[in-house]
This record gives sequence, C-alpha cells and structure tokens, in this order.
Amino acid sequence: GAVVSQHPSRVICKSGTSVKIECRSLDFQATTMFWYRQFPKQSLMLMATSNEGSKATYEQGVEKDKFLINHASLTLSTLTVTSAHPEDSSFYICSARDHGWSGNTNQPQHFGDGTRLSIL
Amino acid sequence: AQSVAQPEDQVNVAEGNPLTVKCTYSVSGNPYLFWYVQYPNRGLQFLLKYITGDNLVKGSYGFEAEFNKSQTSFHLKKPSALVSDSALYFCAVRLLTHDMRFGAGTRLTVKP
Repeated sequence: GAVVSQHPSRVICKSGTSVKIECRSLDFQATTMFWYRQFPKQSLMLMATSNEGSKATYEQGVEKDKFLINHASLTLSTLTVTSAHPEDSSFYICSARDHGWSGNTNQPQHFGDGTRLSIL
Repeated sequence: AQSVAQPEDQVNVAEGNPLTVKCTYSVSGNPYLFWYVQYPNRGLQFLLKYITGDNLVKGSYGFEAEFNKSQTSFHLKKPSALVSDSALYFCAVRLLTHDMRFGAGTRLTVKP
C-alpha cells in the first residue's frame, strides 16, 4: 500500500534553532500534502496545505514565517520551524493523498509516523 | 461548518466482547467520512471510509462502520475486540478543499 515517510521521528534542540521536517510519498505522487499539529491527548489540527509547485495555504492563526513549507517535487514536502521556541514543541504529522492516474479524489490520506519536536 | 464529534473520550471493553466507538457528523451535502487509528508516537493508519453505496462499510483488521443518515452517525464497530486494538481512534470528514477535519479522538482500551 501507499507509504508516507516522515523524517526525523524525533528532534530535541535548543531554543532559537530552526528545524526541518521532511515528508515523502514513497510509491505514489502527491500533488497535495497536509501538515498537522497534535498536542498531547488532543486531535490533529491542520496547519497548512502544501501544493506542489505553488505556495502553501495556511490555516487561520498559523504563522507563515514561522512554519515554512516547501513542496518542490511530487514526492517531497518539507516543514521548517524557524527559530523554534518551547511553545513550538509538539507532534507534527504530514499526510498525502494518492490521486492515482485517474485523479480520483476519493482516496484516503496516508499519514507519516510523525515527528516529535521538543524545544529546550 | 463541516465537522465530526466523538462523544466519548474513553471506551473500555473486555477482550472478545464487541466494541463500538461513536462518531456523529455535521456536514452539508454528501459526507465523506473516515476512521483512522493511531498507536503511540505514530501517525494515523487508515481503517475505512464511506463515500457512497452500502451503509455498512468493512475495513481493515476486522473493523466496520455503519453510516446512518437519519442519525448523522458513523459508528466504528468490531464484533470481537482484541487487546492489540487498544489505541486512539479518530473519526474524520473530508472537506471540499480535500483536507480533513478530525474528531477529538477516542481512546480504546481492551482488557484481557
């Protein structure tokens, strides 16, 4: 089945550091990828929609300059948390949907295993 | 607004007993509904979806869900629970923009 690889799985770094998280679709092309944030014991909150070859669409309240998204190819999207601070500590999850050759939009999203970011 | 609600934070069942995890939806138009499972420190795994067709949807690992339009529900069920089914379960609705809105999640604990 479709697989989404997310790397790294865990990051611990000092305040002020910028952290890049990669999300790759391994066996399918993903024109659209999604980035979510999950706080402990809470649901996933959509941060932004990443579109290949164009600017990402951010949800209300998400700082574009804080969370930089790049989707340079059909299999890779990156999320960079710039100048991270302790309040940015969270579990970040990406997902991608396989349109298939027919452009079928009814396929489920496939999720990466998430990245646990801890800012000291 | 398109949304789903999971009224139970926690569901406890004994191994071998049937389980139900509840989900209700508020959607204008035809709903695209999904169930996902999350294990600790992992992403979400797709279980099943309802787009159109039969109201009873069968999915992975023996799970099924029943779409009930009159009750606006999409409850997840399994006839016989396993200890390994213990996890966090999310109901979700796909929006017209193709992103997902998730319920708050229900933690299922299956006791031996």
